[in-house]
Amino acid sequence: DAKTTQPPSMDCAEGRAANLPCNHSTISGNEYVYWYRQIHSQGPQYIIHGLKNNETNEMASLIITEDRKSSTLILPHATLRDTAVYYCIVRVGAMEYGNKLVFGAGTILRVKS
Amino acid sequence: GAVVSQHPSRVICKSGTSVKIECRSLDFQATTMFWYRQFPKKSLMLMATSNEGSKATYEQGVEKDKFLINHASLTLSTLTVTSAHPEDSSFYICSAHLGGSYGYTFGSGTRLTVV
Repeated sequence: DAKTTQPPSMDCAEGRAANLPCNHSTISGNEYVYWYRQIHSQGPQYIIHGLKNNETNEMASLIITEDRKSSTLILPHATLRDTAVYYCIVRVGAMEYGNKLVFGAGTILRVKS
Repeated sequence: GAVVSQHPSRVICKSGTSVKIECRSLDFQATTMFWYRQFPKKSLMLMATSNEGSKATYEQGVEKDKFLINHASLTLSTLTVTSAHPEDSSFYICSAHLGGSYGYTFGSGTRLTVV
């Protein structure tokens, strides 16, 4: 199963873009990259996911390198409410294993005013 | 969007008793549900995968007789912590999966305290 590596913590100024990197050098061709975040004492919240192409939604953008060995989650205008732990996850397993999501340590993003 | 309701949000129980936590998919049918456990300042640890109508698949090191999982319908999975002890105190979170490459939706979590 592909593993991910993220920096343990990052700071970002309010109103600026937050760029959260993730390395997944052992990702296989049919594995997706998912991003979730968890605000203290809540369940994780889905942000975005992608396979090969860059993706954008109302919350964020996901930039995946051409070799797919790394990706960057971009929060275009970070607010104090974006302070959370951000998890980059590579979807593991085949259908018979239920496509479980395995969480790493994540990145603590602190948005500061 | 897909919503997963988890109940209760908090529960305090005495040692030796059992506690049931419910996880419901409100507006979709979940082919698969997952149960996680989280200790303070730690990441989520997958406990088991629950498939409707079949036995749950437990991760290595998780006691299946301790953590009973039932997925009787496409919208409901339950986790029962049997004969709870203080070391079972934790934050338990469920997740539902629509299937395919769709995202996973998480419940709001249950804070279990065993006294």
